[in-house]
Amino acid sequence: KQEVTQIPAALSVPEGENLVLNCSFTDSAIYNLQWFRQDPGKGLTSLLLIQSSQREQTSGRLNASLDKSSGRSTLYIAASQPGDSATYLCADSSMNYGGSQGNLIFGKGTKLSVKP
Amino acid sequence: ETGVTQSPTHLIKTRGQQVTLRCSSQSGHNTVSWYQQALGQGPQFIFQYYREEENGRGNFPPRFSGLQFPNYSSELNVNALELDDSALYLCASSLMPSGAYEQYFGPGTRLTVT
Repeated sequence: KQEVTQIPAALSVPEGENLVLNCSFTDSAIYNLQWFRQDPGKGLTSLLLIQSSQREQTSGRLNASLDKSSGRSTLYIAASQPGDSATYLCADSSMNYGGSQGNLIFGKGTKLSVKP
Repeated sequence: ETGVTQSPTHLIKTRGQQVTLRCSSQSGHNTVSWYQQALGQGPQFIFQYYREEENGRGNFPPRFSGLQFPNYSSELNVNALELDDSALYLCASSLMPSGAYEQYFGPGTRLTVT
């Protein structure tokens, strides 16, 4: 059974710090891995999607990496700001999941708080 | 281009009642997936619809059912509501059902069962 784990569950940092969020997955046969941001009570905002053939993607202050062999992805946030405070979720699209090849499997998220 | 929309935004129901949630897919997308997100958890896959047929289902009981219409919009129906059904329900659309295609999420419907 494919599982996605995110560590840490919560993280509090002072403004300006660079930080890394971790995501691990048990099945390396994935189509892609995606990072989302979720503000309290809101839906999901897609941040970065990494195809299985790629090693990393960048958008502004965000950089996501993918290492299928070790079953890990990291989201790097540079120069954090209070506006970055949110829950960050990773999800993969497994080739082997029995329910449907099209569904995403999510971790529980990392709740980030950036203090001014 | 219109993104994924969901209605209603919020809903309060009583245990045992039935509820219908609606989702309009992004233009050109023929696949809709539904997810349930309980408080403090990641979203869990409920089912997917492709060309008006169910195309895969997660570990949810039959009282969770759905429909997809010719314009690719979709409904999620939940019968005999239980307190544990309280959650944020998210729908996502994609160009095709394969996991190779990115899913685009709507803002969600917050369901509270009392």
